[in-house]
Amino acid sequence: DGGITQSPKYLFRKEGQNVTLSCEQNLNHDAMYWYRQDPGQGLRLIYYSQIVNDFQKGDIAEGYSVSREKKESFPLTVTSAQKNPTAFYLCASSRGHGNEQFFGPGTRLTVL
Amino acid sequence: DAKTTQPPSMDCAEGKAANLPCNHSTISGNEYVYWYRQIHSQGPQYIIHGLKNNETNEMASLIITEDRKSSTLILPHATLRDTAVYYCIVRANTGGFKTIFGAGTRLFVKA
Repeated sequence: DGGITQSPKYLFRKEGQNVTLSCEQNLNHDAMYWYRQDPGQGLRLIYYSQIVNDFQKGDIAEGYSVSREKKESFPLTVTSAQKNPTAFYLCASSRGHGNEQFFGPGTRLTVL
Repeated sequence: DAKTTQPPSMDCAEGKAANLPCNHSTISGNEYVYWYRQIHSQGPQYIIHGLKNNETNEMASLIITEDRKSSTLILPHATLRDTAVYYCIVRANTGGFKTIFGAGTRLFVKA
């Protein structure tokens, strides 16, 4: 089945540790995105990538880093510099950056 | 991208039509109206989008006013599974990219 996967679904980390969230898609989409969602709120864009080896900061990129070495993969690293990392993280992809986005199931990160 | 305004919550009886409004008075000529929904603790799901004509697919209908300053998403026969947060977004399909997901409308479908 074609789709977008995120793993793990739940992730726990100690404060001060970096953590990497996985996002993989087999839809052959060029564009990929990372969003953060806090309880009761909408989504905020962290980073996006329109093509392999290229990515751009979104609205809240501080404390996060990404890479796009393969078309299928867009991992997000939450660094220790991110002051409030506990949140629901959503990855999405689209055929081009102007097309509708398909979302993964999300990863709920809790920093203890 | 233009900003949208949606009511924070709405109720609908099961089997009835759910009409979700969205105001986007500052929409530009090249901006589309997109609707997504998010069921609790899942990723958002694309529903429908349009530019100026009304659109219909297997999930919903989208009605855009002639001046394009507002739109309505219609779920013709709401079921309990349609209980979700519905997001209205306006964005251009070219140029710089930012998708603004606001707080959306929380739709409660009641039996």
